[in-house]
Parts: sequence; structure tokens; C-alpha cells
Amino acid sequence: DTAVSQTPKYLVTQMGNDKSIKCEQNLGHDTMYWYKQDSKKFLKIMFSYNNKELIINETVPNRFSPKSPDKAHLNLHINSLELGDSAVYFCASSQEMNEQFFGPGTRLTVL
Amino acid sequence: AQSVTQLGSHVSVSEGALVLLRCNYSSSVPPYLFWYVQYPNQGLQLLLKYTSAATLVKGINGFEAEFKKSETSFHLTKPSAHMSDAAEYFCAVRRRAAGNKLTFGGGTRVLVKP
Repeated sequence: DTAVSQTPKYLVTQMGNDKSIKCEQNLGHDTMYWYKQDSKKFLKIMFSYNNKELIINETVPNRFSPKSPDKAHLNLHINSLELGDSAVYFCASSQEMNEQFFGPGTRLTVL
Repeated sequence: AQSVTQLGSHVSVSEGALVLLRCNYSSSVPPYLFWYVQYPNQGLQLLLKYTSAATLVKGINGFEAEFKKSETSFHLTKPSAHMSDAAEYFCAVRRRAAGNKLTFGGGTRVLVKP
């Protein structure tokens, strides 16, 4: 059984479109995260939610909006996609401040 | 702000040789330290972590790392490289008062030659 899953795995879209990436964890964790990995493999945290409450919000354009319908899900919605949004987006989860478990990633390509 | 630096974006080793990946952090207070591995087209997997217990930390797949406060380093080693060790390796820090926010180094790609 997959612990942290993301859909879709690949997403190709045009500039200006709006898209969402979904993340689900079945580990019973209370904290979930979104990370962005750019083309040079640099990883940076974007958001963190604990029990559906936003606790980390890095300097991310407000075109990016995380949504947590429940503790097991943290979706990432992106409005007005730009070329620079092309990256691999990773979801992760943890129980409080313990080890973070990462999903397989979603490769977003904006044309 | 704390940061973490990985020396060498690429490392090439022969199968059976020592693997040494360097990581230095900048923090006035020793943070929690982590090494993650990323295999091609996969997510990150935790190799090991330092949380202020023993300074020599053993992880999965034969890897270990030593925390040296005087050198602000947390280098990752494996005595004998295997072909399956070819991957990207990330060092990460977490400041004790920063919640669970991980700050990653730039990564080191390991190539293993037969």
C-alpha cells in the first residue's frame, strides 16, 4: 500500500491555465507538506498544514493555494500557470515533528 | 537564517570503493540533521538522522554519518559502493525551534562505475 500518493504523476499544460495536484496519505499523520524541486534539483518547502491548519507558508506566489479538506489530504491548486512553475512537486507527511515521508512527485510542465 | 551546503554536485566512485558525501551546516545551535536519497523518478527516502543522541549515526543500506560540531559537518559515508547506490543524495537541516521545516542542500549525484 502506498503511504503518500500523488496524482497526477505527470501534468503538461499551457501557460495561463489553472491546475490542481492531489495528495493523500494513509499513515494517520497529522502534518502534511508541499515541496518544489526545480530543474537543478533544488528542493524548497512551500507549505505545511497541521490538522488542517496552515503552519508554514513560505514566500510563494498567491497563485498557489493549498487546500486541506481533512488530515489525510493536502491538495495544491495553481492559478494562471507560468513557465517558471515547471518543476517536480512533492507532497510529504509526518506525525507532529517526526520523520517526513515523501510522495513520488508530480512533474509539472508548463508550455 | 540557517543553511546547508553540500560540497560537490556530482561524485563518481567505483563499485566497492568508499562513498563520501560532504555536508556542512550553518547554525549557532546544532540543529537536527538528515540525509535523504532520491532514486530516479522517485520521491525522497530517509537514510538517517541526527537528533543529538550519538554523534555517529547508522542508517539504512550500509550508510552512516558523523556529526562534528567543531566542524559544523555531517558527512555521509558508505565503506563499499554498490551499483544500486547510484542516486541523488540530499542533506537537510531542521532548526529545533522551526517546527518541522526542512532546509535542503543542493544535492549530490552519485555515479557508481563498475
